Parts: sequence; C-alpha cells; structure tokens
Amino acid sequence: GESVGLHLPTLSVQEGDNSIINCAYSNSASDYFIWYKQESGKGPQFIIDIRSNMDKRQGQRVTVLLNKTVKHLSLQIAATQPGDSAVYFCAEKGADSWGKFQFGAGTQVVVTP
Amino acid sequence: EPEVTQTPSHQVTQMGQEVILRCVPISNHLYFYWYRQILGQKVEFLVSFYNNEISEKSEIFDDQFSVERPDGSNFTLKIRSTKLEDSAMYFCASNREETQYFGPGTRLLVL
Repeated sequence: GESVGLHLPTLSVQEGDNSIINCAYSNSASDYFIWYKQESGKGPQFIIDIRSNMDKRQGQRVTVLLNKTVKHLSLQIAATQPGDSAVYFCAEKGADSWGKFQFGAGTQVVVTP
Repeated sequence: EPEVTQTPSHQVTQMGQEVILRCVPISNHLYFYWYRQILGQKVEFLVSFYNNEISEKSEIFDDQFSVERPDGSNFTLKIRSTKLEDSAMYFCASNREETQYFGPGTRLLVL
C-alpha cells in the first residue's frame, strides 16, 4: 500500500497555527526554486517560487525564504487549514539548465483540528 | 484554468511489454518534461523536450525510454521493454516560462 517506501519527515500542526517547512538544497549554483504541494494520488501542484536574487517572496498565506549562504529554503504557511495536509517538496534548478528540476524528499504535513 | 492531462490514469503491464504513456501539455507551452516517482520516494527528472528534440535527460532515461511529440498536442513517453523497477507514477509537466505545471500522473505497475 501507500506505506511502502521511504519514511517522510512529518510536521503535525494544529489548525490555525503557522507551519514552517524546511528544505536543504544541494546545488550552490541553483538559480530558481519552487515549492510544490502533493496530495495523495495527485501530481505536484505549484505553490510559490523564488529566484536566487531574492531572499523572500510572499503569496497568499505562504512565504518562501531563501538563505543561499547555508543553502536553505523554507516555506511558511499562515493559519494552516485542513486542506493544507499534503506532502510538500522543494525543487531546485541549476543555472545551466532550463527545466531540469531536482526535487527534495518531501515533508508530510498533517493538520489536526 | 488550463491543465496538463495524462492518460491512462493507471496501467498494468507484464514485464517485457511496451507501454506508451500519453500527455497533453498546456496548449501554449513550449517545453515538456517527464518525471517519475517511485512509491514513497521523491520525484525524479527523466527528460526535457523542446523544439521536437530532447534538451536534457537523466541517467534513468536509458535506451529503453523514448519521447515523441507526434502532433501539435500530444507528448508521449514510451518504455520499450518494461522491467519490474519501472513501476512508478509518471508525471508529465510543461511550461512556457520557468514554472512547470504537472499533470495528475499515470500509475504504472509492471508485473
């Protein structure tokens, strides 16, 4: 069943609280990053992106922070809702590539009432 | 809102058989991709395609794999002789600028 495979880190958050999901990326030459949300049995869904010349970008209820010094990316979700329960992936693209994204392992977010 | 679509949603095949996975990218997109995701693991890049030729491919994309854009709307991934380890979700993606939009995937099971 769906439990086969690597065990994902899990973030359990109470409905209404803020969530912070972290990602360590591998390539210091990566110039573009995307956070994707993946619900069970579905494809990755774009949430927010950021270029390497920025350190913060805000969307609706979401903020992405980029720290190039330590190769760290985070996604903050404000006022987490039950519909936010999913696996969240960061994806990075090297400056020498147009479209080859490397995905992180993902974090399972579970929103509890 | 335009979406990437994929068919079939599920495919079961015998080891050694050929499979063709189909995708209809978003209509004004120019770049097309295939990724795979083995159950419980991360999404892995397979290949990118632009202007009717492969732009980049990963080490996973060996001679058993091929891609084609047979007409103005479809983008296909063919696996010539499937192996057990080809069992995975296969995602098609497309873009016009940098952000890639993914389809719902085809779950391939090789027996």
